[in-house]
Amino acid sequence: QVQLVQSGAEVKKPGASVKVSCKVSGYTLTELSMHWVRQAPGKGLEWMGGFDPEDGETIYAQKFQGRVTMTEDTSTDTAYMELSSLRSEDTAVYYCATDYDDSGAFDIWGQGTMVTVSS
Amino acid sequence: DIQMTQSPSSLSASVGDRVTITCRASQGIRNDLGWYQQKPGKAPKRLIYAASSLQSGVPSRFSGSGSGTEFTLTISSLQPEDFATYYCLQHNSYPLFGQGTKLEIK
Repeated sequence: QVQLVQSGAEVKKPGASVKVSCKVSGYTLTELSMHWVRQAPGKGLEWMGGFDPEDGETIYAQKFQGRVTMTEDTSTDTAYMELSSLRSEDTAVYYCATDYDDSGAFDIWGQGTMVTVSS
Repeated sequence: DIQMTQSPSSLSASVGDRVTITCRASQGIRNDLGWYQQKPGKAPKRLIYAASSLQSGVPSRFSGSGSGTEFTLTISSLQPEDFATYYCLQHNSYPLFGQGTKLEIK
């Protein structure tokens, strides 16, 4: 059974960076295309970026380009999302999600990581 | 860029009601669409993939239809546990979620 387990909640000051981890269990990260989605309090779901297997590259939503970096450590089956130059509007729950069954839509999600940006 | 318009943004209904939620894409996305249910404090749960395929373990009162630009999620007979927020997700191009529909008890 594939599971995604994320790191714990973070509190950061404006201007800082945050790095959230997502560990895969029950499968191998190299066989998955990992994506990141965030949700501000009381708001909807927002795709941030993820791995495009057709191009073999990580793609980012235009809104986050230049501020977000998604990486993987295949030795530990762990994916990472780092967001820099944090501002209060980045306060949100961050989810990793993947298309395990190759249906094209995210079927497996992490439990979410709350990131609070506050001075 | 593809735009997704989900409606309504909120909906009040009673147990046993039939409800329909719609997502419209600004251009054709074939059947590259999924539907998700989210409850407070929880990660989204996929209900439907490929526009009309029911996720394993999801009750058959949930159904999806559509192709191209117009898609619907139907709940045939609302149960108490169905009161939640629902999102569509298109993945024909860069993934994009609809704005969400909050389904509340009347």
